[in-house]
Amino acid sequence: DIQMTQSPSSLSASVGDRITITCRASQTINRYLNWYQQTPGKAPKLLIYGTSSLQSGVPSRFSGSVSGTDFTLTISSLQPEDFATYYCHQTYSTPYTFGQGTKLEIK
Amino acid sequence: QITLKESGPTLVKPTQTVTLTCIISGFSLSTSGVGVGWIRQPPGKALEWLGVIYWDDDKRYSPSLKSRLSISKDTSKNKVVLTVTNMDPVDTATYFCAHLYNYGSLDSWGQGTLVTVSS
Repeated sequence: DIQMTQSPSSLSASVGDRITITCRASQTINRYLNWYQQTPGKAPKLLIYGTSSLQSGVPSRFSGSVSGTDFTLTISSLQPEDFATYYCHQTYSTPYTFGQGTKLEIK
Repeated sequence: QITLKESGPTLVKPTQTVTLTCIISGFSLSTSGVGVGWIRQPPGKALEWLGVIYWDDDKRYSPSLKSRLSISKDTSKNKVVLTVTNMDPVDTATYFCAHLYNYGSLDSWGQGTLVTVSS
């Protein structure tokens, strides 16, 4: 199985901050990396697919990038509604594993 | 508009088998390239991928659960079914079904159904 190591597990930040969340894949996954946002009691919401493609309706302050096997989600200027838990998800080979999540909290 | 909705028992006893149904709309399970995945999330924990079924009836399962999982589809009834055998309290989770999109991402999710395993 491909392991996805997501960091940090939690992050405290303020409105207007720029933050990054990283996922490292245990082997090559090409660009088959997706990012989701989840708020309590809700289903996850797709933000980014294929490493850097912004899902329709998602604000442009969200972006994705890659360097080698390190994938990054960046939020350029945090808004109040962005405080949530974020998950990466590789879909290169089954089982399509998720990262352990990053809980983004208000400082 | 794509929608999915899960349903099934909310409480099962240890060793029992649970059957969850995902009713879909806005797409067809017979269309080339279509897939529906199942994911679960224990309370307060991370998402766990369980498996996927494709339009051509190809199925893939999580190796750690493969012996206990079965996914099937009924195209005429627009539904996908997940069966999990030999349920244990550690299987207590919210179970989601979701539509596969580009790069295998999951762009539309059901609301989830909480299954509690307790005697």
